[in-house]
Amino acid sequence: GESVGLHLPTLSVQEGDNSIINCAYSNSASDYFIWYKQESGKGPQFIIDIRSNMDKRQGQRVTVLLNKTVKHLSLQIAATQPGDSAVYFCAEITLGNQAGTALIFGKGTTLSVSS
Amino acid sequence: DAGITQSPRHKVTETGTPVTLRCHQTENHRYMYWYRQDPGHGLRLIHYSYGVKDTDKGEVSDGYSVSRSKTEDFLLTLESATSSQTSVYFCAIRAPLAQTGGYTFGSGTRLTVV
Repeated sequence: GESVGLHLPTLSVQEGDNSIINCAYSNSASDYFIWYKQESGKGPQFIIDIRSNMDKRQGQRVTVLLNKTVKHLSLQIAATQPGDSAVYFCAEITLGNQAGTALIFGKGTTLSVSS
Repeated sequence: DAGITQSPRHKVTETGTPVTLRCHQTENHRYMYWYRQDPGHGLRLIHYSYGVKDTDKGEVSDGYSVSRSKTEDFLLTLESATSSQTSVYFCAIRAPLAQTGGYTFGSGTRLTVV
């Protein structure tokens, strides 16, 4: 079936480094890809999204890259801070699908930032 | 999160007992979703609702039922809880006309079935 997944379950970086979190997907019909951040004991929080017809999108300290040729997207976090420590999920959405435009999530990468 | 609350936050129940989790929203949004989160699986869709009394199944609906008698409440019921249903359950709502950033998740319900 269709799936969204992440390459690595954990990533450890030093404060101030740049972090890159990767995600592979299989549904070429997805309309959007979204990155979520989940802190311990909380629900996922929206970070940034990218439409399927784009290659790159930048936000505040974050950049998402989409490579449709190899069905891969990444989240880059610049100058990583301890407050960035969390689990990061990629998700995809296909507009107008049967599941009421529900998000389909990957498995998550745990980012640990040490100071 | 603002506009969406889940109750209870934690629950321990015995195998075979019925359990109902509640999701309440104050945003008057049409779409509501129930997900479960397990280690190694991310979040998986259980059921969703697209209006009062309008619900449908998601990826992992077996063993679960839902009801939506009012816009603001979406209930998830485990008719006879099993240990495999031990999980963290998240409810989400979606703002209309919003493509991706309009989803808001509750803080979750941690359910343990012993």
